[in-house]
Amino acid sequence: RKEVEQDPGPFNVPEGATVAFNCTYSNSASQSFFWYRQDCRKEPKLLMSVYSSGNEDGRFTAQLNRASQYISLLIRDSKLSDSATYLCVVTPGNNAGNMLTFGGGTRLMVKP
Amino acid sequence: DAGVTQSPTHLIKTRGQHVTLRCSPISGHKSVSWYQQVLGQGPQFIFQYYEKEERGRGNFPDRFSARQFPNYSSELNVNALLLGDSALYLCASTPLGGYNEQFFGPGTRLTVL
Repeated sequence: RKEVEQDPGPFNVPEGATVAFNCTYSNSASQSFFWYRQDCRKEPKLLMSVYSSGNEDGRFTAQLNRASQYISLLIRDSKLSDSATYLCVVTPGNNAGNMLTFGGGTRLMVKP
Repeated sequence: DAGVTQSPTHLIKTRGQHVTLRCSPISGHKSVSWYQQVLGQGPQFIFQYYEKEERGRGNFPDRFSARQFPNYSSELNVNALLLGDSALYLCASTPLGGYNEQFFGPGTRLTVL
């Protein structure tokens, strides 16, 4: 079983739609949680951190459920520019420094 | 401020050769991590260095090695290249060695023929 699992998609949605991505992780001791965005043939960039209380940044909302080991990302009012691969990322709970464990990514394509 | 820089941008090698990839972190950042991203997959952790010491190592064979220099730049070396080593190699820097945001460089795309 992979440490971080995501539905690879692609999710094809029209502009203005709301889309949700889910992610599960296997290590219950995981400490920190993130969503990264990666455009085609570019480096990953931090989209947002994910907190147990849930957090929002404009059109983006992230949720963490530690009991179910589940992370979600909601994008409202999708824009063409949101088309990218979204990577779910966790850090381990052991003394492994700042090692990031990535999921395989979920590809989003927003259509006009 | 300059971001993380990596060189070369692209590289083509043949099986059995070795390769050295280079990374310069953001000014003031003391920690560098290396990741391998095979096409269609998420990045996989290879190494982390902080203050020139190895802080973490992923599940990669001994053909992979790295080091960090006094100016905090880093090199990733891969010996006896295999076809499966073809990937995007990403370097990321953080200010400290703990749980901070990692800033990624543009990567080096390695093709092994």
